[in-house]
Amino acid sequence: GAGVSQTPSNKVTEKGKYVELRCDPISGHTALYWYRQSLGQGPEFLIYFQGTGAADDSGLPNDRFFAVRPEGSVSTLKIQRTERGDSAMYLCASSRYTGDTQYFGPGTRLTVL
Amino acid sequence: QKEVEQNSGPLSVPEGAIASLNCTYSDRGSQSFFWYRQYSGKSPELIMSIYSNGDKEDGRFTAQLNKASQYVSLLIRDSQPSDSATYLCAVNYAGKSTFGDGTTLTVKP
Repeated sequence: GAGVSQTPSNKVTEKGKYVELRCDPISGHTALYWYRQSLGQGPEFLIYFQGTGAADDSGLPNDRFFAVRPEGSVSTLKIQRTERGDSAMYLCASSRYTGDTQYFGPGTRLTVL
Repeated sequence: QKEVEQNSGPLSVPEGAIASLNCTYSDRGSQSFFWYRQYSGKSPELIMSIYSNGDKEDGRFTAQLNKASQYVSLLIRDSQPSDSATYLCAVNYAGKSTFGDGTTLTVKP
């Protein structure tokens, strides 16, 4: 079956701009996770959803970052007033339920100039 | 101290040898444990999950978990050049997964 998909695969933006990153989970997976990964480091947890609600958003670095999952399927990570330090690979994963195996999408490479 | 610690490597083994990858974690309440493989420029792909103490084998891979020692390992038997990648350990507590920074493995032909 189809895996997790993420769009766009690459995003280049200018400092101060607003960006949206989209994640489409595996059908039927109730939990959805966002991570950020910088070169040479492991994925860093940002937020996860169980259904439509954010179950844990403790990893969001500041209030410029926000994520939604309005219908319990597709999720959008929104970054306002982007900074060069936001440049990273943004990974989305989904699982059948909380705590189960997470399957990753291909990621969105964000570059802030 | 990071919540999940891995030796960064690089770990180099000859083809056909056993590669041993180790991971320690700090949260005693951790409930599930995962090993992922990540090729350069790609996203992590699952190798093994393990939930209870002991060994779990899947083909050439064996995961070992010791909750008392807060230790999880991955053994790769008959290592192949295609196993060359970064291996990430992930520990899950209450739904949230914390990853180590990975161990880079090189298998030399």
